[in-house]
Amino acid sequence: QLQLQESGPGLVKPSETLSLTCTVSGGSISSSSYYWGWIRQPPGKGLEWIGSIYYSGSTYYNPSLKSRVTISVDTSKNQFSLKLSSVTAADTAVYYCARHEGQWLDWGQGTLVTVSS
Amino acid sequence: DIQMTQSPSSLSASVGDRVTITCQASQDISNYLNWYQQKPGKAPKLLIYDASNLETGVPSRFSGSGSGTDFTFTISSLQPEDIATYYCQQYDNLPSFTFGPGTKVDIK
Repeated sequence: QLQLQESGPGLVKPSETLSLTCTVSGGSISSSSYYWGWIRQPPGKGLEWIGSIYYSGSTYYNPSLKSRVTISVDTSKNQFSLKLSSVTAADTAVYYCARHEGQWLDWGQGTLVTVSS
Repeated sequence: DIQMTQSPSSLSASVGDRVTITCQASQDISNYLNWYQQKPGKAPKLLIYDASNLETGVPSRFSGSGSGTDFTFTISSLQPEDIATYYCQQYDNLPSFTFGPGTKVDIK
């Protein structure tokens, strides 16, 4: 059974870069034609797609975040990563990684990232 | 960008009631519409895909319908374990996605 696990700092200072990694187990990140993506959810609010990377390495970003987002993949470690630059308090959220096609199929448990000095 | 609206934003119903949630897209998205259930502190869970298809293992009291811009999600007989927030999500222009704002369902 595929499992995903987010990891990274839970506290980031304003103007710095948020960095998270998603480790995939129970399957290879590069062996199937899926997307691997990030979604976030501010406390008490709804879901926002951040971006995705295809198994081939192509990346796709939410236009509203595109200038600050980088998603990459490390197939040797079966991981993919998120970097969000120049963060503000508005970036405080639970960040989820997931495998998806048109449907978001398998999710990590989520990790809360707080932006505060 | 395709915008999604949901109504109501919240509802309270009794166990056994029929519950209906609507989702509207700002433009025609065919049947590229999914429904998720999210319980507090948990990741969302896919219930319905492509507007009307029940995900494997999901109870048959959940159903979906619609196409184009107007979609409906129904719980035929509300159960206590159905207390959650429900989101619609479109993927007309894969891999760009938009979620609806959510509908919180409580027991009366």
